[in-house]
Amino acid sequence: GENVEQHPSTLSVQEGDSAVIKCTYSDSASNYFPWYKQELGKRPQLIIDIRSNVGEKKDQRIAVTLNKTAKHFSLHITETQPEDSAVYFCAAPNYGQNFVFGPGTRLSVLP
Amino acid sequence: DAGVTQSPTHLIKTRGQHVTLRCSPISGHKSVSWYQQVLGQGPQFIFQYYEKEERGRGNFPDRFSARQFPNYSSELNVNALLLGDSALYLCASSTGPTSSGNTIYFGEGSWLTVV
Repeated sequence: GENVEQHPSTLSVQEGDSAVIKCTYSDSASNYFPWYKQELGKRPQLIIDIRSNVGEKKDQRIAVTLNKTAKHFSLHITETQPEDSAVYFCAAPNYGQNFVFGPGTRLSVLP
Repeated sequence: DAGVTQSPTHLIKTRGQHVTLRCSPISGHKSVSWYQQVLGQGPQFIFQYYEKEERGRGNFPDRFSARQFPNYSSELNVNALLLGDSALYLCASSTGPTSSGNTIYFGEGSWLTVV
């Protein structure tokens, strides 16, 4: 089945700096990659997603890039703010049955 | 519009007991999936249902079962609870099955503690 790796596991940045989280997947047939943000004690919330027919997608301060050849995709957050502090999960589809999630990245934005 | 609703939000059970968790998907969504999230880890897939049929099952023991009702709501049942079943149980809904590349949206979850 699909295997998703995510790095780094923790990331601390100064407010205003950029943050980048990278995920790799194993199944070359995977075609849809969402990113979720989970604040402490809350549910995972979809923040951005990308399909395999595009290489990049942006939504204000958040962007996702996809490299199908290398089988990796990355989340980019620019001009980070304290409210960006959370755990971020990437995911990839597994044989169309479910999503396989990465282990998560704990992002801390320091004021 | 209401999002995915789950009940109960928190519960404490004793080892060996049984638990039923309930989920109502977003209006118009016909697919429901269940995930288990242990503290510090990503969600792990348990079941997917679409149009009342099981479309996928994760690597969980037979103590875990689920079903989807005609109104697309769903129940997750866990028998003979173990301490290791303590986790956040997340229900996710989508318009269609994951096989079609549909986005899933999570409910707030049910926090289960087994003592």
